[in-house]
Amino acid sequence: QVQLQESGPGLVKPSETLSLTCSVFGYSIRSGYFWGWIRQPPGKGPEWIGNIHQSGSTHYNPSIKSRVTVSVDASKNQFSLKMTSMTAADTAVYYCVRIIRSNSWNPICMDRWGQGTLVTVSS
Amino acid sequence: SYDLTQPPSVSVSPGQTARITCFGDELDEKHVAWYQQRPGQSPLMVMYQDDKRPSGIPERFSGSNSGNTATLTISETQALDEADYYCQVWGGTSVVFGGATRLTVL
Repeated sequence: QVQLQESGPGLVKPSETLSLTCSVFGYSIRSGYFWGWIRQPPGKGPEWIGNIHQSGSTHYNPSIKSRVTVSVDASKNQFSLKMTSMTAADTAVYYCVRIIRSNSWNPICMDRWGQGTLVTVSS
Repeated sequence: SYDLTQPPSVSVSPGQTARITCFGDELDEKHVAWYQQRPGQSPLMVMYQDDKRPSGIPERFSGSNSGNTATLTISETQALDEADYYCQVWGGTSVVFGGATRLTVL
C-alpha cells in the first residue's frame, strides 16, 4: 500500500524560499510513475505545481515555473519541492502525489495523494 | 491555456442518480480524470482515462467523455458521496483542474 508523507515548515516569511519533502512508503520511487506536487489554497480548487520522473525529467506549471524546482533522491525514496519568493498568495495546503504518465510522457492523473501540509506565508 | 468548466453545484436525493458534467474544447481528445474531495480530506481519484475505475471505487461510479463534455455518473447516490468533485486533464502544457462541483445529497 503506497503512502506519501509531506514534511516541511508550516510557516514561511514573505520573500523566503519554501522547501518541502515527500517521503514515499510501500513503493519504489524508481518506477515508471511521475512524482509531483499539487497545492490548494483555502476554499479553492487544486493547482498543479510540477512533477519529476526518477530519471530527472520534469514538467512545471508555466505560471510559476520560474520559481519552482522539483528534485528526487531515489536513495532515500523521497522527492522535494523548492519554491522561491513566497507571498501570501502562496498560502495553501501542499500535497505530494503519484502521477500516472501517458505514453507520450505527459502527466495525466494523480492516483495517490499525501495527507497534505498547510503552508502559511506571513511575517 | 486550456479551461475546464463544471457546474458549481448538483443536488440529488438518496438512491437517485447524480450526473456531474465537465466542459472543455474538444474534450473527447483528452483523457479525463475525476476526483472526490470530502471536507478536510485529500482528493481521491474516482475515475481516470474517462471511464476507468480505480481499485476500491464502487461500481456505482462511472464515467464517459464525448464531444466537449465529460460526465461522472453516480448511481444509487448515498450520503457518503456528498463532496466536492473535480475533473482534470493534461491540457497540453499544464495539468488543468475544473472548478469544484459540490454534490449535495438531500
